[in-house]
Amino acid sequence: GQQLNQSPQSMFIQEGEDVSMNCTSSSIFNTWLWYKQDPGEGPVLLIALYKAGELTSNGRLTAQFGITRKDSFLNISASIPSDVGIYFCAGQLTNNNDMRFGAGTRLTVKP
Amino acid sequence: DGGITQSPKYLFRKEGQNVTLSCEQNLNHDAMYWYRQDPGQGLRLIYYSQIVNDFQKGDIAEGYSVSREKKESFPLTVTSAQKNPTAFYLCASSISRGGSSRADTQYFGPGTRLTVL
Repeated sequence: GQQLNQSPQSMFIQEGEDVSMNCTSSSIFNTWLWYKQDPGEGPVLLIALYKAGELTSNGRLTAQFGITRKDSFLNISASIPSDVGIYFCAGQLTNNNDMRFGAGTRLTVKP
Repeated sequence: DGGITQSPKYLFRKEGQNVTLSCEQNLNHDAMYWYRQDPGQGLRLIYYSQIVNDFQKGDIAEGYSVSREKKESFPLTVTSAQKNPTAFYLCASSISRGGSSRADTQYFGPGTRLTVL
């Protein structure tokens, strides 16, 4: 099945910096989800987006559902060491309700 | 405390043996899913179940089997026919599948790492 294109694959940033990552596809989605996964653990849902153009925040995290319904981005402001982990996007396809996942962005935050 | 549990956390098996991974949820969700996670790849769907006594193959069902005899439980068996079974396996659930977008939102368990020696 088609996976989402998530970028960047990895990021190394200094504590306090802002972070931005995105997911794109040629398919149209009716839902975009952003998860964080710590090593050896299951993904935890951070933000859910259900409407094109929707912009939602969760603390220092902000995500947007692209107006074309083919993309989404996640921003993290003022990063802290506990932000370290793998962030990945998921989108629910409009045509068959299947969920597709990005390969993840590995974030490293240097104190 | 509502949630999804998977057991065991780590599992080691010899090549050629079948092994069953447990997934239980007390969220009263109708839909449950099994995914496989390999390094550098997105999650790939193995099987899903929309309701008790029903399940459907996902993208990589070959070498796997499931059952859904109870709403709360969706065990996955990795059979000896699976060519490359060593991976991290994730179970997820949602209120429904194919309902509203919110009801289809998936929540994950903690995962089981299977290593075949």
